[in-house]
Amino acid sequence: NAGVMQNPRHLVRRRGQEARLRCSPMKGHSHVYWYRQLPEEGLKFMVYLQKENIIDESGMPKERFSAEFPKEGPSILRIQQVVRGDSAAYFCASSRAPENQPQHFGDGTRLSIL
Amino acid sequence: DAKTTQPPSMDCAEGRAANLPCNHSTISGNEYVYWYRQIHSQGPQYIIHGLKNNETNEMASLIITEDRKSSTLILPHATLRDTAVYYCIVRAGWDDKIIFGKGTRLHILP
Repeated sequence: NAGVMQNPRHLVRRRGQEARLRCSPMKGHSHVYWYRQLPEEGLKFMVYLQKENIIDESGMPKERFSAEFPKEGPSILRIQQVVRGDSAAYFCASSRAPENQPQHFGDGTRLSIL
Repeated sequence: DAKTTQPPSMDCAEGRAANLPCNHSTISGNEYVYWYRQIHSQGPQYIIHGLKNNETNEMASLIITEDRKSSTLILPHATLRDTAVYYCIVRAGWDDKIIFGKGTRLHILP
């Protein structure tokens, strides 16, 4: 019973490059959430998606960040023109419906910007 | 902002019960109490959740006071692998996001 799968586990990019982070939810889960954890800080909500729809992106930075969850395939968090401040651990979680259902997290992608 | 208050750190001897408190004095009637933990460099792990009744599963027990303003997570026989940051979270059933506070860093002492 595979859990939430994130890849890559570690990603190194130079300033100005693009970063793509992938998340495959647990089987039977159609709701995906992305969180960011800056060094020595707590997790912060970024975005909530259902298949082909962004439901809540209130935590997403206004520029350079985007997320999608296509009908087929994993959810993608995309960061364009990365800067040093984007260095963080990015966690994906999934759930069945959000109503009173726990979110289950993957082990994250650690993004380092040179 | 997180709606819960937890001690920043706690120690517990290996093999003893670890009792982690959480205050949520402003909890609303439709809000659940969730507990997660984060072991170093891993993603948060769901432990347990409840509305007003006490709950138990294979990992832990959750005791919620009658007025629902506080709760306690109990790990019955702590092991070194239980060393982690434990997050108490209040969340309405329809809420999409989890708002994490600073949690309690639990140290299990050999």
